Parts: sequence; structure tokens; C-alpha cells
Amino acid sequence: QGQLVQSGAEVKKPGASVKVACKASGYSFIDYYIHWVRQAPGLGLEWMGWINPKAGNTNYAQKFQDRVTINMDTSISTVYLEVSSLRSDDTAVFYCVRNLYPGTYVGYFQNWGQGTLVTVSS
Amino acid sequence: QSALTQPPSASGSPGQSVTISCTGGNSDFAGYKFVSWYQQHPGKAPKLILFDVSKRPSGVPDRFSGSQSGNTVSLTVSGLQAEDEADYFCCSLAGGNTFGMVFGGGTKVTVL
Repeated sequence: QGQLVQSGAEVKKPGASVKVACKASGYSFIDYYIHWVRQAPGLGLEWMGWINPKAGNTNYAQKFQDRVTINMDTSISTVYLEVSSLRSDDTAVFYCVRNLYPGTYVGYFQNWGQGTLVTVSS
Repeated sequence: QSALTQPPSASGSPGQSVTISCTGGNSDFAGYKFVSWYQQHPGKAPKLILFDVSKRPSGVPDRFSGSQSGNTVSLTVSGLQAEDEADYFCCSLAGGNTFGMVFGGGTKVTVL
């Protein structure tokens, strides 16, 4: 069925960077795209980007293209989200999510990580 | 990609039905069929309840149904139960060959 386990909460100062890990288990890691979604406190869901573990290619929402990097370590079935130049309005829960179907970037988000709270505060 | 438009709130009494709309322009919806819906309870991760507009993943009750008309897709929850009180988000493949996704702003459903 598949499980995604994320790294723990982070507190960062404005201007810093954060790297959130998402470890996959219980399925063939390279077969399913992984997306990242963020949710600011009390607000809605926001799609950030995806990575194709088989080819290593990525795609980002235009809003995040300059500050977000998604990469991976296939040897440990782990995907990473790095956000640079953090601002206070980046304070949010970040989720990694796995697609329902293999081999496609079309996001039907069946498996969710537990979420990682990143707090940006001076 | 701009967010899809959902009403901020909806409500119904137990046993009644509630319908939530999700509207996008041509640049938001890619083909009007790659749409999914998510239910989120407070403090929890979202849960996939519909995909391909109207298909239910295993384990999702048939009280949840989806439809599409023009540039609007809808989620209907029939036979409302207390546990249906949650936030609901639509999500679509974005238009414009961006190969990305876009969410709606979310609808808070209250069971009266």
C-alpha cells in the first residue's frame, strides 16, 4: 500500500533554508511520482511541485520555481524538499504525497506523509 | 496557476445532502476530467475521496459522489453524518501545459 514518513518539525529564521525529508516504504519507490503540498495555518492546500523518481526530473509551481528544490536519494527511498530564502509567510505544514497511479505526474494523492511543520520566526 | 474557486462554507442537517462546487477557467482545468477531491479533518492529513471526477477509492462510502458540467465540477455528500464535518478541497491538473496541479481554496462543511 505504501507509507511516507517525514522528518520532524523545524524552526528557522527569515532568510534561512530548510530541507524536509520524506522516506517511502512498502512499494516500488521508482514507480510513483512524489509531490509536495503545503498548508499554511488555517488556510488551504497549495501544490508546490513533483519529482519523478524513475527519471529524476522535476516540475515546480511557478510561484516556487526560484526558491524550491526537490531531489532524492533512491538508495534510501527518500525524497527531499528544500526551501530557501524563508519568509514568515512560509510558515506551514509541508506534506509529501504519493500518486494513486504509477508512472504519471497527474496528482491523485492517495498516500500522505504525516506532515512537517516549518515555523519561520525571528 | 490560480486557485480553483470553491464556496468557503456549506452546511446541512444529518441525513440531508450537501453539494460543493469547484470552478475554474479554461487555463485552470486541463480537460475537466483530471479532478480529485480531498477531505480533511482538523489536525489530520487530507484523504482522497474522489478521483477522475467521480471515482471512489476503495473504502470511501458511496455517499460521496462527483459530477462535472461545463467548467464546474461538484462533490455531493448524501446522507450527511456527523463525521462528514470537515474541510473539502478540489484539485485539478492545471491547464496551459504546466504539468502541474492546482487546488481549490477549500470548503468547510458543517453538519448542523
